[in-house]
Amino acid sequence: GQNIDQPTEMTATEGAIVQINCTYQTSGFNGLFWYQQHAGEAPTFLSYNVLDGLEEKGRFSSFLSRSKGYSYLLLKELQMKDSASYLCAVNTNAGKSTFGDGTTLTVKP
Amino acid sequence: NAGVMQNPRHLVRRRGQEARLRCSPMKGHSHVYWYRQLPEEGLKFMVYLQKENIIDESGMPKERFSAEFPKEGPSILRIQQVVRGDSAAYFCASSPGRLTNTGELFFGEGSRLTVL
Repeated sequence: GQNIDQPTEMTATEGAIVQINCTYQTSGFNGLFWYQQHAGEAPTFLSYNVLDGLEEKGRFSSFLSRSKGYSYLLLKELQMKDSASYLCAVNTNAGKSTFGDGTTLTVKP
Repeated sequence: NAGVMQNPRHLVRRRGQEARLRCSPMKGHSHVYWYRQLPEEGLKFMVYLQKENIIDESGMPKERFSAEFPKEGPSILRIQQVVRGDSAAYFCASSPGRLTNTGELFFGEGSRLTVL
């Protein structure tokens, strides 16, 4: 089976940095993905990691350690519009994506 | 280039009625995935289909739920004899082929089912 864990909620201040962690246990690992979902909207793709290390994409970075089954999403220079749910997802060799329950991030002024 | 199109966006049904949710994948995409999202929860995988084939239905409830993706036309998620617990957002996603280690999903806006 597969198990993906991430914190339920986080709060941060505008302009700050926040790190959202994700741990996973899966067979047939084939990439880890982060999606953003605003309330009432569709999830949208943010980033993916296949190999260990950090991938940077503007204000967003994502890190992966396959040996530890661990990833994090780092958001810098937080803006109010970053308030959303952040979903960690694992692709498997079976050809599908399994999602964690998401972390609801609230950015406060 | 239209994205993943789902309809209806909102659907209200009474207990015991049927709900049909439709999904047209992005142009050029032949793989479709259905996910269910309960309020304040994550996306739960239901079924993965390719044209005319169900690849993985391990997340589908054994009764009342069915899905198809015919050669022509949209994918359909069908829920028979709906109950209040079926109230949720149902998201469809598509990909051009089998998901790889760099292949993300493209989601539709979702169909929100309310069962009275």
